[in-house]
Amino acid sequence: AQSVTQLDSQVPVFEEAPVELRCNYSSSVSVYLFWYVQYPNQGLQLLLKYLSGSTLVESINGFEAEFNKSQTSFHLRKPSVHISDTAEYFCAVSDRSGGSYIPTFGRGTSLIVHP
Amino acid sequence: NAGVTQTPKFRVLKTGQSMTLLCAQDMNHEYMYWYRQDPGMGLRLIHYSVGEGTTAKGEVPDGYNVSRLKKQNFLLGLESAAPSQTSVYFCASSSAGTGFYEQYFGPGTRLTVT
Repeated sequence: AQSVTQLDSQVPVFEEAPVELRCNYSSSVSVYLFWYVQYPNQGLQLLLKYLSGSTLVESINGFEAEFNKSQTSFHLRKPSVHISDTAEYFCAVSDRSGGSYIPTFGRGTSLIVHP
Repeated sequence: NAGVTQTPKFRVLKTGQSMTLLCAQDMNHEYMYWYRQDPGMGLRLIHYSVGEGTTAKGEVPDGYNVSRLKKQNFLLGLESAAPSQTSVYFCASSSAGTGFYEQYFGPGTRLTVT
């Protein structure tokens, strides 16, 4: 069974600083990879996804993530964060080999952006 | 397009009471899911459904039942609520037709069991 590890439960950062949220998964078989964002008192929204092709994927609001198959990682980065990026971020992995594609979620990383 | 909606948004139950949470989606998705979110635990899958009339257990199914009588609706039932079921519950849906399974989430139901 797939497991997903988000190494940091909380990441405080100052506005305009760069940030990296780390995600590692257990199995190196074919996978789909996702980052979701949850703003306070809301449901989760898809931020970006890796399905195939280029290992670097980008979101419309400046986040990017790189699929690294050898390290089974999918870290999320942003070169300059804004106060409005304060939210909970979840990494999720769907195992393509099992047929069911039910995703496994990490425990989440709380990004706190200080002015 | 309303997407995924959940009813109710908030509920307080006493131990032993029962209730049903309703999830509805208007995207014609085949897959639907119920999760619970607790601090520091992330999202844990309770039950899911891959189509009308079918359900399956997830990671934490005990104390919950589900039904998917119509493709657009997925009901989560608590027969005898316990304080350990105090949580925020999220419903999600996804398409099985395009080969990738991005999920669409509802706004959540905050349940408190006293």
